[in-house]
Amino acid sequence: SQKIEQNSEALNIQEGKTATLTCNYTNYSPAYLQWYRQDPGRGPVFLLLIRENEKEKRKERLKVTFDTTLKQSLFHITASQPADSATYLCARSINYGQNFVFGPGTRLSVLP
Amino acid sequence: GAVVSQHPSWVICKSGTSVKIECRSLDFQATTMFWYRQFPKQSLMLMATSNEGSKATYEQGVEKDKFLINHASLTLSTLTVTSAHPEDSSFYICSATGGGYGYTFGSGTRLTVV
Repeated sequence: SQKIEQNSEALNIQEGKTATLTCNYTNYSPAYLQWYRQDPGRGPVFLLLIRENEKEKRKERLKVTFDTTLKQSLFHITASQPADSATYLCARSINYGQNFVFGPGTRLSVLP
Repeated sequence: GAVVSQHPSWVICKSGTSVKIECRSLDFQATTMFWYRQFPKQSLMLMATSNEGSKATYEQGVEKDKFLINHASLTLSTLTVTSAHPEDSSFYICSATGGGYGYTFGSGTRLTVV
């Protein structure tokens, strides 16, 4: 079965720097990779979706890449702010709306 | 934008009792709703998928008789934890899809069984 891994449980960076989070998957390429933000005691909030035939997606300070050769998605937050501190989850789905699997998440702390 | 309301946000119940959690899509019709549970510092684990008017599809290892799911309308799904035990204590989250809004998650329900 496919596994979704996120490279670090926690990541600390200085305010203003770019945060880069990694999501790796095994076996076959998922059709979709999604990134979510989750604050403590809250449900995840959708951030970005990237399809397997897309290399990159951007939304304001966020950027997601999808490399099917490396079986990896990178999630970047530029000009990071303390308010960006949260847990970030990647999730894959084979079909849109089906076979949804979440990674364990990376807890990002942006230090002032 | 799409909003999913989950209620209650937290509940404490005695062992052996049942607890019902509601998940409502407020401004769109949710053709499919998902229920997850999340243990501390762990990721979301899908429990079941439900489509309006049909029986829920449970993931392997999830007891359908213990976790009753009812998706009676296009805007409401309920999860009932029956005969709850302390090991059922967890964070339960629903999500809904439909109306072209993609996936929208509820804010979660913290269940504590004492």
